[in-house]
Parts: sequence; structure tokens; C-alpha cells
Amino acid sequence: EDKVVQSPLSLVVHEGDTVTLNCSYEVTNFRSLLWYKQEKKAPTFLFMLTSSGIEKKSGRLSSILDKKELFSILNITATQTGDSAVYLCAILPYSGAGSYQLTFGKGTKLSVIP
Amino acid sequence: EAGVAQSPRYKIIEKRQSVAFWCNPISGHATLYWYQQILGQGPKLLIQFQNNGVVDDSQLPKDRFSAERLKGVDSTLKIQPAKLEDSAVYLCASSPGGEKLFFGSGTQLSVL
Repeated sequence: EDKVVQSPLSLVVHEGDTVTLNCSYEVTNFRSLLWYKQEKKAPTFLFMLTSSGIEKKSGRLSSILDKKELFSILNITATQTGDSAVYLCAILPYSGAGSYQLTFGKGTKLSVIP
Repeated sequence: EAGVAQSPRYKIIEKRQSVAFWCNPISGHATLYWYQQILGQGPKLLIQFQNNGVVDDSQLPKDRFSAERLKGVDSTLKIQPAKLEDSAVYLCASSPGGEKLFFGSGTQLSVL
């Protein structure tokens, strides 16, 4: 069974701090790893990672995948209060044609205080 | 571009009652998903549609949950009868194809 473990489960930082969120996984037939940001209820897509060692970057957010050690990290630099959210990591295996069954972790709840 | 629309936003029912949720995906998105997110957990896939056909419903509790996507556009998810453990946020997502999903704001269900 595919498994995703995120750590820490919650984190409180001050504005301007840099944070690193962790995601480790177990999957039978890896296809990709995805990060989502969930504010209130709707998760929004951040990154999709398929290859080891290639950093994806978007503004102050960046992410990298290590397929040998089976983990990914999400970095946020110079945090702002608007970064407060739950960050979800999900794994996607190769499965049946057209099937995209994401397995999500429990998420890391990030709170950024002024 | 309009996002994924879901209704209602909130629903409170008593156990053993029935409830239905509605989802309108982004125009042109062939793939539609229903996820269940229990408090403190990540979303769990219930069912995936490709147009109006079911691709994956292996995690749908079929004794009480049903879903349909008539005409390959809107979808409804029904629970009948509801149990206390069904209290969760029900998220609908759509995709033009591939891994990137676009989620709606969800329906928060409380079963008392």
C-alpha cells in the first residue's frame, strides 16, 4: 500500500523565517510527487516532481525530490503571513490506464505570525 | 477562468439521513474526482470519472455511497444512509488530463 508521511505535522514561525517541510513516501511504482497548499478547504497546486535532484522553484517556494532516499522537501524562504496554510504532499504511482490515484499525507500546518 | 464549483458549502444532517453534493468542473475538463477529507487527514480518493465513465471507484463504500456524472459534465455524490464517521469535507477536483488537479472549495458535512 502506498504511504506518505509528512513532518512536522505543525509548525509556528515568525515572518521572515525560512522553513523546510518534509515528505517521505513508499510507493510500488513511482510516477510523480506533488505538493499542494490548502487554505481553508481548496488545495491549490504548487509543484510536481518526477526526477531526482532537479529543483522546482516558484518565487519564495522551492522543492526537490530524492528518489533514492524516497523523500521530498518544500522550502519557503522569507515567510509571510499569507503562507499560513496546510501543505499537502501526494504521491502518484503508475497504475491502470487513465487512473490517477493520488495518495496524500496528513499535511503540515504552517502558521506564520507577524 | 471559472474554477470548480461545489454546493452546498455546508451541510448538517442526522445519522441515517441522506445527503447529496453537487460539482461542476472546469469547462473542458474530462476527468473528475471526488475526495473525502476527514479532519486532520489528507484527502482520500473516492471515485474518478473520465467523461461519464468510472475509471476508479475502488475506495468508494458502495453500500452507502453512490456517484454519477451524467453527460460527462456535472457530478453528484450521494450518501444514503449517513453515518457519524462520514463527517468530513468532500472535495471535487477536475483535470484536463494528467496529474495536475484543480480542486473546488468543498462541502463540509457534519453528521450528528
